[in-house]
Amino acid sequence: KAGVTQTPRYLIKTRGQQVTLSCSPISGHRSVSWYQQTPGQGLQFLFEYFSETQRNKGNFPGRFSGRQFSNSRSEMNVSTLELGDSALYLCASSLASDGYEQYFGPGTRLTVT
Amino acid sequence: QQQVKQSPQSLIVQKGGISIINCAYENTAFDYFPWYQQFPGKGPALLIAIRPDVSEKKEGRFTISFNKSAKQFSLHIMDSQPGDSATYFCAASRQAGTALIFGKGTTLSVSS
Repeated sequence: KAGVTQTPRYLIKTRGQQVTLSCSPISGHRSVSWYQQTPGQGLQFLFEYFSETQRNKGNFPGRFSGRQFSNSRSEMNVSTLELGDSALYLCASSLASDGYEQYFGPGTRLTVT
Repeated sequence: QQQVKQSPQSLIVQKGGISIINCAYENTAFDYFPWYQQFPGKGPALLIAIRPDVSEKKEGRFTISFNKSAKQFSLHIMDSQPGDSATYFCAASRQAGTALIFGKGTTLSVSS
């Protein structure tokens, strides 16, 4: 069974631009969560989607948004990029509606210059 | 406010030794405690997880010990191997669909 896939794997953007990252969950998984990983702050929760609805959101500014499609694939968007948005963005999917066991993808490495 | 505190930050263990990583949590509403292993350039991989209704769970060389009253849990890696060299994260979650709250990570180096 294929794991969580994320595209693109690497991305370089300029301050002020916007970016869209994509995540395809494990087949059959309906819950998708997004996390930001940085050396200073570690792994931080962005938001979680289940059945196309955002169920929970972390403490990030409104520039960070996401959505989930009917096939459970998810995208996250960051507008007006700042240097501090440089990070590894990880997507995790879960089989059960309770979302407990989360399986991570390889991440998208975003560099903002 | 850091809800999950992990220690040590780094750990060096001889091949064949026991690696022990500790975590402490604050929120008594947490009811799911997983450990993740991350290699450079990869996403975190779920290693083992425990619920608060049991005090210990073992899977192969990996064991979680859980102390509900002390609000602490730990990962023990028996017979540590060089291939275990990675960063380990503990985490906690309080209910369905909510965030995993991660510790800051422990970098484990197993010397041969």
